[in-house]
Amino acid sequence: DTAVSQTPKYLVTQMGNDKSIKCEQNLGHDTMYWYKQDSKKFLKIMFSYNNKELIINETVPNRFSPKSPDKAHLNLHINSLELGDSAVYFCASSRSGSSTDTQYFGPGTRLTVL
Amino acid sequence: KNEVEQSPQNLTAQEGEFITINCSYSVGISALHWLQQHPGGGIVSLFMLSSGKKKHGRLIATINIQEKHSSLHITASHPRDSAVYICAPVFSGTYKYIFGTGTRLKVLA
Repeated sequence: DTAVSQTPKYLVTQMGNDKSIKCEQNLGHDTMYWYKQDSKKFLKIMFSYNNKELIINETVPNRFSPKSPDKAHLNLHINSLELGDSAVYFCASSRSGSSTDTQYFGPGTRLTVL
Repeated sequence: KNEVEQSPQNLTAQEGEFITINCSYSVGISALHWLQQHPGGGIVSLFMLSSGKKKHGRLIATINIQEKHSSLHITASHPRDSAVYICAPVFSGTYKYIFGTGTRLKVLA
């Protein structure tokens, strides 16, 4: 059983389109995250939700909107895709969002914007 | 200047060598995590440290809070240890990881 799963694994799309990436965790965790890894392999947090409530919202364009229908799911919707959005997006979860909690990462979604 | 600095950026070692990867950070932290990113892209958490030292198999992680420095050591390195190792402190008063730039390790047979 996969602990943190993401779909799709690969996403190729045209500039200007709207797309969503889905994330699900079956660990019973309260906190979920979205990270972006750019072409230089640098990881940066985008959002974090705890029990469906937004707790971290970094300086991310408002074209990016996370949605958490329940605490096991955190989806990322991106409007009006731009070339610079091309990256690998990782979802993660942790038990409670404490700084000492281990985070469990999904396999990543490679987004390519043409 | 980056808030989190790792060294070296790239490291090639022969199988069996002892490896050390260093991480320095600029402000107070509540915890520090070491992560491993496999060549295929998957990310795994190796350690969480808030003080002292932890050991798991051939991996040892240490932290010196006063010096604002952590090290990850790999004993008897093996080609399967080839990966990117990422240091991620959690700055005091926040809940979020701040990631280092990573150290790309290649262990040759």
